[in-house]
Amino acid sequence: DAGVIQSPRHEVTEMGQEVTLRCKPISGHNSLFWYRQTMMRGLELLIYFNNNVPIDDSGMPEDRFSAKMPNASFSTLKIQPSEPRDSAVYFCASSRGQLEAFFGQGTRLTVV
Amino acid sequence: GIQVEQSPPDLILQEGANSTLRCNFSDSVNNLQWFHQNPWGQLINLFYIPSGTKQNGRLSATTVATERYSLLYISSSQTTDSGVYFCAVESGRGSTLGRLYFGRGTQLTVWP
Repeated sequence: DAGVIQSPRHEVTEMGQEVTLRCKPISGHNSLFWYRQTMMRGLELLIYFNNNVPIDDSGMPEDRFSAKMPNASFSTLKIQPSEPRDSAVYFCASSRGQLEAFFGQGTRLTVV
Repeated sequence: GIQVEQSPPDLILQEGANSTLRCNFSDSVNNLQWFHQNPWGQLINLFYIPSGTKQNGRLSATTVATERYSLLYISSSQTTDSGVYFCAVESGRGSTLGRLYFGRGTQLTVWP
């Protein structure tokens, strides 16, 4: 299996622009997670889906952030409008139920 | 949510030395994982170990679930072991089902 695939690997955008991050989970995994990593806050969960349904979005910072999972093999995390404080590494992870989770390589987002 | 504390926060070793990293957690857990974040930022799965002991080459891990801690042992360390080691736990209950809580990590530097 190719593992969890995220795109793009790097994104540089100007403040106010819309940013869309993409994730393809491991085939057969029914749980998908979006995490954000910063120096200040470490790794924090933004949202997770189970069987394509959002289960917990309490970590989503504010209304500028939204996430979708239209099918079992694809998810997006969108920031609109983006702000410099959104600069971070965004990780997607997937698992089969509550079993071992695997992470993608992350998207490094820089908002200038 | 569950509190996860890792120690030490930083560790500097000479190549060939052994080390022990500790992870304490505040509640009973259904899932515990150890990850290595390499200098390129990739999160690599080391162990899925909710209880018991596992070994993989120079690395081994032990989780004592009843006492709420896990240990990661690195023997004969190599420069490629450098990076941040994260412990993450999942409670398996209620509203936090499936959600991984991360510690702040142990930054390991191995010098040649």
